[in-house]
Amino acid sequence: DTEVTQTPKHLVMGMTNKKSLKCEQHMGHRAMYWYKQKAKKPPELMFVYSYEKLSINESVPSRFSPECPNSSLLNLHLHALQPEDSALYLCASSPLSGGTEAFFGQGTRLTVV
Amino acid sequence: DQQVKQNSPSLSVQEGRISILNCDYTNSMFDYFLWYKKYPAEGPTFLISISSIKDKNEDGRFTVFLNKSAKHLSLHIVPSQPGDSAVYFCAASVLGNEKLTFGTGTRLTIIP
Repeated sequence: DTEVTQTPKHLVMGMTNKKSLKCEQHMGHRAMYWYKQKAKKPPELMFVYSYEKLSINESVPSRFSPECPNSSLLNLHLHALQPEDSALYLCASSPLSGGTEAFFGQGTRLTVV
Repeated sequence: DQQVKQNSPSLSVQEGRISILNCDYTNSMFDYFLWYKKYPAEGPTFLISISSIKDKNEDGRFTVFLNKSAKHLSLHIVPSQPGDSAVYFCAASVLGNEKLTFGTGTRLTIIP
């Protein structure tokens, strides 16, 4: 199994809603990532978990709250988002050994209305 | 501050010919480089990587070249196929650090 699975694929939410994005991998990878990608821009790193501990937070606003319940799962909790937060949210994982080839999921297309 | 740059936003190549995608970086601490391919509304797919101890790595139709003194890398695809049409991102990291820094991307179009 070489897949990173993200749910949902699409999400529309209001600015007062609370929602969560989910990510799962069964490759035994010990690093998991959240990236945000706006149209015609490169993916931008948001958070990194290493061995289930938050190791990097790229100064992301607190309305985005990551959670790593176990080594296979990564969540991103969303609350009080703004329309400018609309983007493709990508989850990735990597083995944390040798090179850093990260494997990406298909992403969640988020629209904030 | 864009530490990884791809100066060509788009590139068109005839099917069967060689596609050459370029990438420049400014951070001399980077020692591991990767290329990803991305279709619309999908996540990036890893293609090939190279560490700074090498200057070339080959995998099938894909070859990556690294010129450390020029802080430049390139991806060669030969022969180019219609399925290669996508956006290509180069990415860089420091070995042992989980963070990948992506370039701005090049949209490759293969003309049948």
